[in-house]
Amino acid sequence: DGGITQSPKYLFRKEGQNVTLSCEQNLNHDAMYWYRQDPGQGLRLIYYSQIVNDFQKGDIAEGYSVSREKKESFPLTVTSAQKNPTAFYLCASSPQTGRKTEAFFGQGTRLTVV
Amino acid sequence: AQSVTQPDIHITVSEGASLELRCNYSYGATPYLFWYVQSPGQGLQLLLKYFSGDTLVQGIKGFEAEFKRSQSSFNLRKPSVHWSDAAEYFCAVGAGLTGGGNKLTFGTGTQLKVEL
Repeated sequence: DGGITQSPKYLFRKEGQNVTLSCEQNLNHDAMYWYRQDPGQGLRLIYYSQIVNDFQKGDIAEGYSVSREKKESFPLTVTSAQKNPTAFYLCASSPQTGRKTEAFFGQGTRLTVV
Repeated sequence: AQSVTQPDIHITVSEGASLELRCNYSYGATPYLFWYVQSPGQGLQLLLKYFSGDTLVQGIKGFEAEFKRSQSSFNLRKPSVHWSDAAEYFCAVGAGLTGGGNKLTFGTGTQLKVEL
């Protein structure tokens, strides 16, 4: 079945560590996105990529990094510079066919700093 | 910059009752609007979308939404709620990206509780 796979589902990080969240899609979508979700704040865009080897900062990119070496994959690294990384992270993708497109979401990764 | 307001943080309805979730948006051009639903610990599922044309759009699971430009609103409705509709609902507006796709701005969500 086509879809977006995020792994792991739960992730624990110690203070000062970098961690990488995986996002893979087999929908043949060009655009991919990372959102952060905090209780009562909705979803906020971290980074997005519309093509391989290119990505753009979203609204809250500080403390995060991404790469897009393959069309199917868009991993997110939460660095030690991110002061409050505990959150639910959602990856999404969309076909790049103008604006009349919808985003499809993965099941999320819950990151907790211990 | 675009923004979305969902004024109701929590709503409780009885099973079988009608439902309306409010959404107001701010966007300088023609808005592309979406409603998503999220069950606890899960990703988001698209309920419906508005791009253009008929202002009343039908979605999955018996939901519909009406776009009212004069009120900058895109309220979600369902005539008869089922217990399985209990979830969190997000309204979003899409800002077009050069080259395609949308940068979505989400509201803060409305948590729906259904009483049996």
